[in-house]
Amino acid sequence: GAVVSQHPSRVICKSGTSVKIECRSLDFQATTMFWYRQFPKQSLMLMATSNEGSKATYEQGVEKDKFLINHASLTLSTLTVTSAHPEDSSFYICSASNRFGEKLFFGSGTQLSVL
Amino acid sequence: AQKITQTQPGMFVQEKEAVTLDCTYDTSDPSYGLFWYKQPSSGEMIFLIYQGSYDQQNATEGRYSLNFQKARKSANLVISASQLGDSAMYFCAMREGGNQFYFGTGTSLTVIP
Repeated sequence: GAVVSQHPSRVICKSGTSVKIECRSLDFQATTMFWYRQFPKQSLMLMATSNEGSKATYEQGVEKDKFLINHASLTLSTLTVTSAHPEDSSFYICSASNRFGEKLFFGSGTQLSVL
Repeated sequence: AQKITQTQPGMFVQEKEAVTLDCTYDTSDPSYGLFWYKQPSSGEMIFLIYQGSYDQQNATEGRYSLNFQKARKSANLVISASQLGDSAMYFCAMREGGNQFYFGTGTSLTVIP
């Protein structure tokens, strides 16, 4: 079964609204969680890295005020896309790593469509 | 330099045959980990196999094995007895340092009946 749960799997929203995506590690304590964006037929693009209890580290070019990340516990991280616009439409996927980094499991991804 | 290089954008294999997907990596860190993931059209990233830099033996998981050539910095994935359900994108990844992960550009595998 899945060790990382991500939902919703698909969301359609109007431009200007905010969307929250949840990522939960089910079988282990996720010291670090990662959020990626993926365009069709391309590799994963890391958006931010979050460690439990501390602020997320954003990659260059990713607006932290637009993509709010919260990692309040060892099992839950959330990504909120604020004031979504059509150009934010994409596949977003989270992953969770344990302390030693020999485990990295992914959520099932969220397809966001902004109308 | 690229941390992870996958030079095969697309590969074809006959059903029941074995296939090797190439991956080379670049790191000066003595402790690192190598991963392979499968991404079918549904989008989920499925963990296949892991190899630690200090592991003496090549990792194996069922039909998957990782051909770890440390001196050449390569970590090729070998899929034996290919099945139609193996058709997917395959990504090689490396963990470096504490929790820095790098992904390759992926290889699209198509299994031909």
